[in-house]
Amino acid sequence: GIQVEQSPPDLILQEGANSTLRCNFSDSVNNLQWFHQNPWGQLINLFYIPSGTKQNGRLSATTVATERYSLLYISSSQTTDSGVYFCAVYGGSQGNLIFGKGTKLSVKP
Amino acid sequence: DSGVTQTPKHLITATGQRVTLRCSPRSGDLSVYWYQQSLDQGLQFLIQYYNGEERAKGNILERFSAQQFPDLHSELNLSSLELGDSALYFCASSVTSGRRVDTQYFGPGTRLTVL
Repeated sequence: GIQVEQSPPDLILQEGANSTLRCNFSDSVNNLQWFHQNPWGQLINLFYIPSGTKQNGRLSATTVATERYSLLYISSSQTTDSGVYFCAVYGGSQGNLIFGKGTKLSVKP
Repeated sequence: DSGVTQTPKHLITATGQRVTLRCSPRSGDLSVYWYQQSLDQGLQFLIQYYNGEERAKGNILERFSAQQFPDLHSELNLSSLELGDSALYFCASSVTSGRRVDTQYFGPGTRLTVL
């Protein structure tokens, strides 16, 4: 099956810093989503991004499907950005998501 | 708020027991997906229903079963519970199923603790 690898596994930042999270996947995928899991466990949709670049405030994402990777950029990080960021690809024939192991982000004040 | 609701938020039970988790999808969504998040296995797909019919199965144990009702809400039944079943169970919904994939929206999850 499709493998999804995220890096780095852990990231500690000072408030105001920028960061880039990477997601590599092993095969062609129909689509890709980025999520933020907050400290309360809630999974929040960030981007649905099959290819190209999207931006939403301080966050942006780029997917290069032909090279099988996606990047999530966080600029001017805030303490509320802390949590785990997951990349998930649509690998099943019925559209179920296959998740990476996540990047745990800690933003210090 | 994703529009997907799950009840209960927390559930504490004993080994050997049976529990039912409930999910209501977003208005208009026909597909419901169940996922399990545990410390050792990460986030894993369990099962999917589309308009009342089972469409796909993932790593779902035989002790677990699910169904989707005519009003499109879904229930995940977990029986003969073991300590290792303790996890966060998510329900997600989307408009379609199959090759045309759409954004999946996740509910807040049910945290199950088996003692």
